[in-house]
Amino acid sequence: QQQVKQSPQSLIVQKGGISIINCAYENTAFDYFPWYQQFPGKGPALLIAIRPDVSEKKEGRFTISFNKSAKQFSLHIMDSQPGDSATYFCAATIYGNNRLAFGKGNQVVVIP
Amino acid sequence: KAGVTQTPRYLIKTRGQQVTLSCSPISGHRSVSWYQQTPGQGLQFLFEYFSETQRNKGNFPGRFSGRQFSNSRSEMNVSTLELGDSALYLCASSLEGGNIQYFGAGTRLSVL
Repeated sequence: QQQVKQSPQSLIVQKGGISIINCAYENTAFDYFPWYQQFPGKGPALLIAIRPDVSEKKEGRFTISFNKSAKQFSLHIMDSQPGDSATYFCAATIYGNNRLAFGKGNQVVVIP
Repeated sequence: KAGVTQTPRYLIKTRGQQVTLSCSPISGHRSVSWYQQTPGQGLQFLFEYFSETQRNKGNFPGRFSGRQFSNSRSEMNVSTLELGDSALYLCASSLEGGNIQYFGAGTRLSVL
């Protein structure tokens, strides 16, 4: 079964706008939530990650918001740029365990 | 430092054949994980090897197997190929105890 559900499936954003991708997880044992970015022909690359002891983490234009009670977390891309056009995957695991459960991915297209 | 290297990049096989894919992790990384990526199912965990031992296993049939060598290089093997095995196979390496997984560019397998 899909342990991590991701929405929307695709997103088109104007340059300078905000991209928001949402994820929900089932397993309450999960305590590490990374986001990966994948460009065509490349493998996924870690973008930013959060653990449940904080509700928000920001790195540059990328922010993760985390809601433990709702079992949801989201990625916000501020001031979206055409170079941000990629597929974004949320994932979850138990910290220290390399078995990642991925969402199905979200294709973000940023138009100039 | 060189990244994760996967060979070959592309493979075409026919049903019933077997295939071996190779992964060289980042120098110093002892954990190697394998994932299958398809448009329908997204990224799914196959297995993880650490110090030549399988440490984690996903929900794939026994036709999918792997191994790791003393230099941490890993191979995965798929026997009796089926059309549904057509996918991008990704390898990721990480440090012991680390949660950041670094992915290779993958091997694109097409089964005809």
